[in-house]
Amino acid sequence: EAGVAQSPRYKIIEKRQSVAFWCNPISGHATLYWYQQILGQGPKLLIQFQNNGVVDDSQLPKDRFSAERLKGVDSTLKIQPAKLEDSAVYLCASSPRGGTSSYEQYFGPGTRLTVT
Amino acid sequence: AQSVSQHNHHVILSEAASLELGCNYSYGGTVNLFWYVQYPGQHLQLLLKYFSGDPLVKGIKGFEAEFIKSKFSFNLRKPSVQWSDTAEYFCAVKDDYKLSFGAGTTVTVRA
Repeated sequence: EAGVAQSPRYKIIEKRQSVAFWCNPISGHATLYWYQQILGQGPKLLIQFQNNGVVDDSQLPKDRFSAERLKGVDSTLKIQPAKLEDSAVYLCASSPRGGTSSYEQYFGPGTRLTVT
Repeated sequence: AQSVSQHNHHVILSEAASLELGCNYSYGGTVNLFWYVQYPGQHLQLLLKYFSGDPLVKGIKGFEAEFIKSKFSFNLRKPSVQWSDTAEYFCAVKDDYKLSFGAGTTVTVRA
């Protein structure tokens, strides 16, 4: 089974520019997550989708970050405008629907963002 | 909010040594517990998980973890490490709402 796909793998931008990341979850997985992992820290949940609806976006800085999951499959995360402190790895994860299997998340390779 | 503490930031071991990584969490209710591993250049992958039942759980590659509810702990162990166990290890705790990660422990195994 194909894993979670993310692109690009690396991105370097200047502060105040915008950037977008793309994620394609494992086929059939209903839940999709975006995490931010700053160097030296564990992943922090930014937003969780169930199909194409938002379940939790309490830690998403909504003044600059946005995310969508049209049609309940792939998703994009956008930052506009970027700040230096947004430098991090952005991870996408997905999990199947229902039962304890829904508790287990499968992670993509991440996008490493550097803001200069 | 849930907090997850991993006791060690960086552990250096020789091959065949035993490994134990500590993990404590703050949530007092029902939790599901995980250890994830990230090998150099690879993505995060599940090492083992605890949902209920036997508090001693076994995962891949000879790892095991013990859930001690009274201590809010879920420590990871391996009796004899190999050079290929060099990686970053993350403890994660799922409460009613979301999965929270510890800061991670980098394990370096010297050949």
